[in-house]
Amino acid sequence: GQQVMQIPQYQHVQEGEDFTTYCNSSTTLSNIQWYKQRPGGHPVFLIQLVKSGEVKKQKRLTFQFGEAKKNSSLHITATQTTDVGTYFCAPASSNDYKLSFGAGTTVTVRA
Amino acid sequence: SAVISQKPSRDICQRGTSLTIQCQVDSQVTMMFWYRQQPGQSLTLIATANQGSEATYESGFVIDKFPISRPNLTFSTLTVSNMSPEDSSIYLCSVELRQPGLARTGELFFGEGSRLTVL
Repeated sequence: GQQVMQIPQYQHVQEGEDFTTYCNSSTTLSNIQWYKQRPGGHPVFLIQLVKSGEVKKQKRLTFQFGEAKKNSSLHITATQTTDVGTYFCAPASSNDYKLSFGAGTTVTVRA
Repeated sequence: SAVISQKPSRDICQRGTSLTIQCQVDSQVTMMFWYRQQPGQSLTLIATANQGSEATYESGFVIDKFPISRPNLTFSTLTVSNMSPEDSSIYLCSVELRQPGLARTGELFFGEGSRLTVL
């Protein structure tokens, strides 16, 4: 599958602050998905990005796909305790749609 | 979305034994996958469960160790054979939903997972 590097591995955020997690690939991606896994839970689909330079928003979450389709980012504004969990980027193989998952960014929030 | 039920949700097993995990989906799905998530790690694809034919395994996973059945479009099993402590993981069943006649999206829905501890 597609290999991606996801940074940072851990993100400790003060409630109310913003943060960004990044997903980088050495090769061009056909599309990329983002998932969130709460502690003790299973991964839940957040978004899929397909087009070069695409930007999608879900309330306080902003997802971006790079112009070269080699990187993606997730930016969360005004972090809340409900944002706690691990965020995975997952590029899909262009021919069979099998997903590989990045290492994830585990987010903790200080109240 | 889909409702995906996995059994067992957790189990503690002895070294050398085998355990079969079941995955039941509330609708017919074409694509069904099995993932493994080791403690504190990301998800690794084990195999694609193919209905009516042998599963397609990823590099590093073999049928003798992880036999998979897919008798129909709503059900699959994964067996972890001859277990060792290194097999202690969460095993996740996932499906891709697609509306009839539309292109595949790749979006996955996951079961709750089966947490396996091998002593």
